[in-house]
Amino acid sequence: SQQGEEDPQALSIQEGENATMNCSYKTSINNLQWYRQNSGRGLVHLILIRSNEREKHSGRLRVTLDTSKKSSSLLITASRAADTASYFCATDRGAGNMLTFGGGTRLMVKP
Amino acid sequence: NAGVMQNPRHLVRRRGQEARLRCSPMKGHSHVYWYRQLPEEGLKFMVYLQKENIIDESGMPKERFSAEFPKEGPSILRIQQVVRGDSAAYFCASSRPGQGIYEAFFGQGTRLTVV
Repeated sequence: SQQGEEDPQALSIQEGENATMNCSYKTSINNLQWYRQNSGRGLVHLILIRSNEREKHSGRLRVTLDTSKKSSSLLITASRAADTASYFCATDRGAGNMLTFGGGTRLMVKP
Repeated sequence: NAGVMQNPRHLVRRRGQEARLRCSPMKGHSHVYWYRQLPEEGLKFMVYLQKENIIDESGMPKERFSAEFPKEGPSILRIQQVVRGDSAAYFCASSRPGQGIYEAFFGQGTRLTVV
């Protein structure tokens, strides 16, 4: 079974709109991280939220975590064409920073 | 302040050859992680190493794959006798030592193509 599954798998919006992506996981976690990946490139770290935190902001990004529902959401406000990318949530597997990734949400922001 | 450096960026190997992928972690980072990504999929954890130690290799195929992180030099992921199914992007990440929760920073990846 896959820990960390995002939905939707693909999302297409107009520039200026908000984009919301959700992530569900199965086992208890210490932290959850969101990453962005542009096509053919590496991953860029966006936000880390600890299990005792409920919400975190970074610029136009807002992440929530509901440990009772084992879910997290990533909100990108006032989206831009440059936000077009795949977004992954990742949960820790215990020791160190071994991460389990979901399949990602492919976001397309149309200018 | 260089990030995580991986080389080569692209690697083409014929079936049966060996592939060696290198990863230099960020300065001050002594924990290295290798992940594999198939097209249109998320990353799958392979192995977690600290200097001269393999901490967790539960995601590594039992045969043909090996990893090391020597005292000096980069971490190496080695794939022997490559097959077409090994074609993927291989990412390395590094993080700080210690007991806290730290971000993992990723390299740009090595895209392996087996022909």
